[in-house]
Amino acid sequence: AQKVTQAQTEISVVEKEDVTLDCVYETRDTTYYLFWYKQPPSGELVFLIRRNSFDEQNEISGRYSWNFQKSTSSFNFTITASQVVDSAVYFCALPLSGSARQLTFGSGTQLTVLP
Amino acid sequence: DTEVTQTPKHLVMGMTNKKSLKCEQHMGHRAMYWYKQKAKKPPELMFVYSYEKLSINESVPSRFSPECPNSSLLNLHLHALQPEDSALYLCASSQGLLETQYFGPGTRLLVL
Repeated sequence: AQKVTQAQTEISVVEKEDVTLDCVYETRDTTYYLFWYKQPPSGELVFLIRRNSFDEQNEISGRYSWNFQKSTSSFNFTITASQVVDSAVYFCALPLSGSARQLTFGSGTQLTVLP
Repeated sequence: DTEVTQTPKHLVMGMTNKKSLKCEQHMGHRAMYWYKQKAKKPPELMFVYSYEKLSINESVPSRFSPECPNSSLLNLHLHALQPEDSALYLCASSQGLLETQYFGPGTRLLVL
């Protein structure tokens, strides 16, 4: 079965701290994509990254980095030197098997960055 | 440009009203989606259109009626809704069914 687990429901950090959001997934597919989205209080889901299962290299984009480990089925997201504007709900997502490949989302992690 | 627009931003309607939500994208995407999101929950897929044809209906009640007039537009017609239908309705689009989905800002719907 396809499943995404985000065990951290809520995280609070103080500005400038580093924070890691965990994502563990299950899939029967041999090749697949994984996604992270950010949802600020305004409601829009903002695309952050798509990672192909072929590519296990870590990715860095500014203060954001992602650690993909196929061996542990994890795709963790780290924010370095967090800022108040990083406060949002973060979703990890995985396409379901089948022709339409619709996304299944984890339950989300609410990140609050305190000034 | 990865913009998906949705109107209205907020909608309040009674249980006997008929209203429509609109979604538009000009990225040349051929797949469009409607999601429903309740507070503190992840988005739940409602409908998928691919090349203007409905390809997935996730057992959504008939009081929700999607329409894809052309490749840039997606509507969701609402009729005889229930208070439990109050939620954030998100539209998304992607180049194809296997590609990254880009979301609009959503319509916050309140059914009284």
